[in-house]
Amino acid sequence: GAGVSQTPSNKVTEKGKYVELRCDPISGHTALYWYRQSLGQGPEFLIYFQGTGAADDSGLPNDRFFAVRPEGSVSTLKIQRTERGDSAVYLCASSLFGQGPYNEQFFGPGTRLTVL
Amino acid sequence: AQKVTQAQTEISVVEKEDVTLDCVYETRDTTYYLFWYKQPPSGELVFLIRRNSFDEQNEISGRYSWNFQKSTSSFNFTITASQVVDSAVYFCALSRGQNFVFGPGTRLSVLP
Repeated sequence: GAGVSQTPSNKVTEKGKYVELRCDPISGHTALYWYRQSLGQGPEFLIYFQGTGAADDSGLPNDRFFAVRPEGSVSTLKIQRTERGDSAVYLCASSLFGQGPYNEQFFGPGTRLTVL
Repeated sequence: AQKVTQAQTEISVVEKEDVTLDCVYETRDTTYYLFWYKQPPSGELVFLIRRNSFDEQNEISGRYSWNFQKSTSSFNFTITASQVVDSAVYFCALSRGQNFVFGPGTRLSVLP
């Protein structure tokens, strides 16, 4: 596909469960980002990958959150022991490079996570 | 620390009116980028424009125009002759390299 895709589009889980959210970036984009957007707010940065490595994970709220990008393309955001406060839309974005003149980010449609 | 402020939480205009969305940013960096994104009701963020800190030239793209003023740390966005399809939440964002900071957004409603 031409754009960033995310699956699932919606995820409902129970408090304490483990969830995985998947992101497929635009082909050829080396940089990948995860954001969390709560209702009525702007996206909040979580983690940034350049290739396979996490170049900046300073936005991850705590050690229940983890993300991987093993082959430098698809990424998975993993949340352990989910809490009700984790409910939000999780956005993925990719850019051609992480820095410089081609760093505009292209966003996926998001995964709406609801923790009951 | 970097920060983006969008003081207008919600704006309502009638179709064909012009509307300006304000964005004020804070950064200590001399090199940075500013962005505007549109988030329509479908939810997907749509890239509108990128401006680097060394280019203060204003830009016009169709009905959209952007006014970057470094002296006041502002990057305002004007929609001329608004249309109902412009209804969305608009986010201003600031980046230094890969780290993006988004403002809280302005919800624009264009009424027919």
